[in-house]
Amino acid sequence: QSALTQPASVSGSPGQSITISCTGTSSDVGGYKYVSWYQQHPGKAPKVIIYDVINRPPGISNRFSGSKSGNTASLTVSGLQADDEADYYCSSYTSSSTVIFGGGTKLTVL
Amino acid sequence: EMQVLESGGGLVQPGGSLRLSCEASGFTFNYYAMTWVRQAPGKGLEWVSYISGSGDSAYYADSVRGRFTISRDNSENTLYLQMNSLRAEDTAIYYCAKDILVRGGFCMDVWGKGTTVTVSS
Repeated sequence: QSALTQPASVSGSPGQSITISCTGTSSDVGGYKYVSWYQQHPGKAPKVIIYDVINRPPGISNRFSGSKSGNTASLTVSGLQADDEADYYCSSYTSSSTVIFGGGTKLTVL
Repeated sequence: EMQVLESGGGLVQPGGSLRLSCEASGFTFNYYAMTWVRQAPGKGLEWVSYISGSGDSAYYADSVRGRFTISRDNSENTLYLQMNSLRAEDTAIYYCAKDILVRGGFCMDVWGKGTTVTVSS
């Protein structure tokens, strides 16, 4: 199964908002509420920032928000900060009882 | 504090075997499903395998099915990944991670630092 489709890179200036898309199919993103987003800084383990499409774990800033429409999920980061610069990955449960990740998006804060 | 700590990585020849371990602490281990995720050098995340809290259910990525076996010892709070018939493309950092919800959410909230597996002759 191919990875979910994410843009390779996005960028924004401090204080601005950016949105990262994650496109799958009706057999994964479109079919289930189990869409998650992870942030990964270089050399570090991933950190979950969104789960079940829209939910933030405790301690995650409300500057991060998730949504879904059809087969595409989205992560919005508002009020960009320097520390937001990282790689972001989406993931989804699939009809094959597996999990699939997106290819990853590098966020650059200009 | 909830933690997981992987071990068992190393250098292995193609066709060889390796067993990874992941020791959990700070949470009720048998309540939560556990997952292995890997990341090849310079590449993205790849989901490898999942096991339910009881150990009754296990799932695998197509790339490892038939070669890797996930298991857990709830009395020892330890997760395992037995890797056989290793290939060069299995070279990666292997992360152990805990599911975020008791009811299962296929989302991981506690990750280890990873253990590196290198398959090379």
